[in-house]
Amino acid sequence: GQQVMQIPQYQHVQEGEDFTTYCNSSTTLSNIQWYKQRPGGHPVFLIQLVKSGEVKKQKRLTFQFGEAKKNSSLHITATQTTDVGTYFCAGPLTGGGNKLTFGTGTQLKVEL
Amino acid sequence: DVKVTQSSRYLVKRTGEKVFLECVQDMDHENMFWYRQDPGLGLRLIYFSYDVKMKEKGDIPEGYSVSREKKERFSLILESASTNQTSMYLCASKGTGNSPLHFGNGTRLTVT
Repeated sequence: GQQVMQIPQYQHVQEGEDFTTYCNSSTTLSNIQWYKQRPGGHPVFLIQLVKSGEVKKQKRLTFQFGEAKKNSSLHITATQTTDVGTYFCAGPLTGGGNKLTFGTGTQLKVEL
Repeated sequence: DVKVTQSSRYLVKRTGEKVFLECVQDMDHENMFWYRQDPGLGLRLIYFSYDVKMKEKGDIPEGYSVSREKKERFSLILESASTNQTSMYLCASKGTGNSPLHFGNGTRLTVT
């Protein structure tokens, strides 16, 4: 079946360092969404990418959607302690309409 | 703001018990979902519903059933709880098209 993988599974960084998580799908995605889950919280929607090669920015966060629409990345510049959490990508199943398949997530820890 | 409310934050049940997890959303969303979240596995879709009385199996429906008698309420049922169903259960709702998921706070279920 369709799979969405993320790497790395865990990442520890010092505050101020950059961070990147990568998302790879076994099939082409019509769009990709990114969510953030704070420790003890629930996933919260960050952004959606639709177009091939699309790049979107939210302050220190940069999101990219690959040309083949099978991969995506989230890059955080100069991490802060508020960035701590687990980041998930999610894409719709092929022909699945409203169903989203989530990636395995990347847990980010930021140390002072 | 969309509000998705799960009836219990923590639940402890015994093996073999019938367990009901309730979820209510207040935004008149057509689509509702039940995911379970386990470390290293991300969020896996159990069941979803795109309309009242309509349901579809997700990736891991075995051992679960669902009920959607009213648009705002989506219930997850464990017919006979087993220890491998100990997990965090997340309910979500979404509107039509590529709109994002809105999650509840989750129910951490422990089956002993």
